[in-house]
Amino acid sequence: GAVVSQHPSWVICKSGTSVKIECRSLDFQATTMFWYRQFPKQSLMLMATSNEGSKATYEQGVEKDKFLINHASLTLSTLTVTSAHPEDSSFYICSLTRTTVGYGYTFGSGTRLTVV
Amino acid sequence: GIQVEQSPPDLILQEGANSTLRCNFSDSVNNLQWFHQNPWGQLINLFYIPSGTKQNGRLSATTVATERYSLLYISSSQTTDSGVYFCAVAQGSGNTGKLIFGQGTTLQVKP
Repeated sequence: GAVVSQHPSWVICKSGTSVKIECRSLDFQATTMFWYRQFPKQSLMLMATSNEGSKATYEQGVEKDKFLINHASLTLSTLTVTSAHPEDSSFYICSLTRTTVGYGYTFGSGTRLTVV
Repeated sequence: GIQVEQSPPDLILQEGANSTLRCNFSDSVNNLQWFHQNPWGQLINLFYIPSGTKQNGRLSATTVATERYSLLYISSSQTTDSGVYFCAVAQGSGNTGKLIFGQGTTLQVKP
């Protein structure tokens, strides 16, 4: 499967500040990446689909102005949580896949965000 | 949208026991995967199995696409098998559809 690098692994920030999370594809060019959020003891919920060179597609209920996604190159997508609040504390995970059918989706190691 | 249901939600086993986890989905899919989430949150891909049967060591999986379910078998369970097991499916053409997760099965294997 694909190799995905996600940074940082964990971050603590003050309420009102912004945090950027990076997701890199290390071994192939990814035109599409996905961002998920997972609250404690819950499943993964898709937040948005990140498309290289175009605007991201957000799932219903996800604020696009709060969760800024940039997919400026074929190997890098970033998620910026703007004006973070304690309720944004969660586990954020990126994912990508090759467009060729027959390959699964691979996930980054995740970023645990704590807003204090 | 497509619904993914996993059962049981929780499972406690004695080391050495076998178990079967089930995943039902509400529509046809072109991708189905089983993941194990470890205590650090990392999702480990167990199987890419939109149809058919695969085996990898003590784990095996079967997907019956026409009946819209998949099964994950764990044999001779070990304490390191503990964690959350997720089934996830995707639809759409090619391989760019959104991957939708079930609620997971939390497995605890006791020594």
